[in-house]
Amino acid sequence: KQEVTQIPAALSVPEGENLVLNCSFTDSAIYNLQWFRQDPGKGLTSLLLIQSSQREQTSGRLNASLDKSSGRSTLYIAASQPGDSATYLCAVRPGSARQLTFGSGTQLTVLP
Amino acid sequence: NAGVTQTPKFRVLKTGQSMTLLCAQDMNHEYMYWYRQDPGMGLRLIHYSVGEGTTAKGEVPDGYNVSRLKKQNFLLGLESAAPSQTSVYFCASSYGARSSGANVLTFGAGSRLTVL
Repeated sequence: KQEVTQIPAALSVPEGENLVLNCSFTDSAIYNLQWFRQDPGKGLTSLLLIQSSQREQTSGRLNASLDKSSGRSTLYIAASQPGDSATYLCAVRPGSARQLTFGSGTQLTVLP
Repeated sequence: NAGVTQTPKFRVLKTGQSMTLLCAQDMNHEYMYWYRQDPGMGLRLIHYSVGEGTTAKGEVPDGYNVSRLKKQNFLLGLESAAPSQTSVYFCASSYGARSSGANVLTFGAGSRLTVL
């Protein structure tokens, strides 16, 4: 059974810092991996999607990498801003299934 | 553009009561999903549907039923609510498997359910 782990559960950084969020998964046979953002009381917004054949994806200040062989992905946020404060979740789609398996998320706080 | 709309947003039930959560999407998506989110456990899939009239079990289906009578609606029912079903429920939708958009889920804002 695929398990997805995100450490740390919470992270607090001062504004302007570059930071890395980590995601690990137990079964490397994945179809793709996604990073989501969740604001308090809101649904999830997809940030980046990496196909199993890709190594990384970039969108603005965000860069996500994927290392299938080691079962790891990182989300790099450059020059963090208070508006980046949210919970970030990663999710993997197993190769044979339609549904996603989610990690429990990292709650990020960027202090002004 | 509404996207995915969930009703109600909040509900308090007593043990044994029944209720239905409604999810509606206006994007002509084929696939729809119901997840529950509990503290420290991420989102877990309850049931999903790959098209009108079809449903399938996810990771935690016990105690829930679903129906997809219309393409745009996906209903989640609790026949006899239990305190363990206290959670935040999220509906999501996406295009079908033949579309590249099948990978991108659009989520609703969530429905917070408390069972006393």
